[in-house]
Order: sequence, then C-alpha cells, then structure tokens
Amino acid sequence: AQSVAQPEDQVNVAEGNPLTVKCTYSVSGNPYLFWYVQYPNRGLQFLLKYITGDNLVKGSYGFEAEFNKSQTSFHLKKPSALVSDSALYFCAHMDSNYQLIWGAGTKLIIKP
Amino acid sequence: DTGVSQDPRHKITKRGQNVTFRCDPISEHNRLYWYRQTLGQGPEFLTYFQNEAQLEKSRLLSDRFSAERPKGSFSTLEIQRTEQGDSAMYLCASSLVVGELFFGEGSRLTVL
Repeated sequence: AQSVAQPEDQVNVAEGNPLTVKCTYSVSGNPYLFWYVQYPNRGLQFLLKYITGDNLVKGSYGFEAEFNKSQTSFHLKKPSALVSDSALYFCAHMDSNYQLIWGAGTKLIIKP
Repeated sequence: DTGVSQDPRHKITKRGQNVTFRCDPISEHNRLYWYRQTLGQGPEFLTYFQNEAQLEKSRLLSDRFSAERPKGSFSTLEIQRTEQGDSAMYLCASSLVVGELFFGEGSRLTVL
C-alpha cells in the first residue's frame, strides 16, 4: 500500500540548533508530498509541498524540506530551532484520488 | 475571523445518542473534507465534497455516519447511535488548491 512513514515519535532539539523531522514514502510514480504542523489546541496548518521541480522546497516559518528520490525521503528541516516550533508535525502524500494520506506524526520538542 | 470554524468544539454524549457537527469553511473554498483524529495518530479521511457533491467517502466509514453540504456552503457530519469507539476529534478542512488544506480547530467527541 502506498504510504508515508515518520520513524520518530518524538524529536528533541535544543533551541538554536538545526532540526530535522524525518519522513519516508512508499509511493509508486511521482509522489506529491506535504508537511503540516499542529500546534497545541490549534488546527493543522499547511507548511509546504513538493509536486515537481527543485528538490529543496521552502515553506512557512523558515521550514524547508528536501525531496530525495534515491532515499525515498522528504525530511523537514530548519537551520535554527525556536521554542515556538514545538508542535506535532505530519507528513502526507496525495493519492491518485487527490486525497491526503497521513503519517502518524512526530512530536517536536524544542528545549530552551 | 475568516478561517474554518467548527461547532461545537466539544460534545459529550451517551452511547446510543445521535450527534451532529457543523463546519463553516472559508467562503471561496469549493472543497471540503472531514477527518477523524485520535490521540497519537494522523488524520483519518472520512469524506470529501466538491461544492455540494459528496465525491468520496471512506470505505471504513460506518453507515451510522452521514455528511451533507447543502448549497455548497457549510457542512454537517452526523453520527447516529454513537459508540464509545466513535470518541475522537473530528476535523473539518477546506481548500481551493488541491492538497493545501485549511483546518478548523476540530470538534472533540466523547461518548460515555
């Protein structure tokens, strides 16, 4: 079955350090990949997407993601973490019916 | 506020009762989605509307669940004869661009 996987339930990073939240995909054909963030008691928010083109995609709040076809990965990155980045992050891919199939989420904790 | 709004934010009901949730999407968005989310999981797709037409419904969705979007504006999700397993956060989202969803803050259902 086509899916995305987020191998880490939780990632802990010190404020100011670079952060990476991992996502791998198992999708036939060209994958359409997305990252969303869910802050505490807030709705999910779109961060960025990869459809085609440059492998490095820039999104909201200083986040970026790198599409790597050989490693079937779409990791989310930020050069310098903020405490306010602490949230739940979801990777998703779009299936052939244009519906999003979601990963289980990764809790990101940024410590001051 | 011109975002997606959901009502009620929290509903507590007894097993066997019917509940209805309402979603008001962003006004110019023609696509509307309902998802269910439980703790520690990504959103699970329930159903999708384009304008007033319900184009897709999850095969996992019991026939106790029904959704409408009259006139292509607000939408309602009704759960009949609720069960304890229905306890979850019910998320509504709308979009104009495929894959870029705007979510409401959700309606939390607790079935006693």
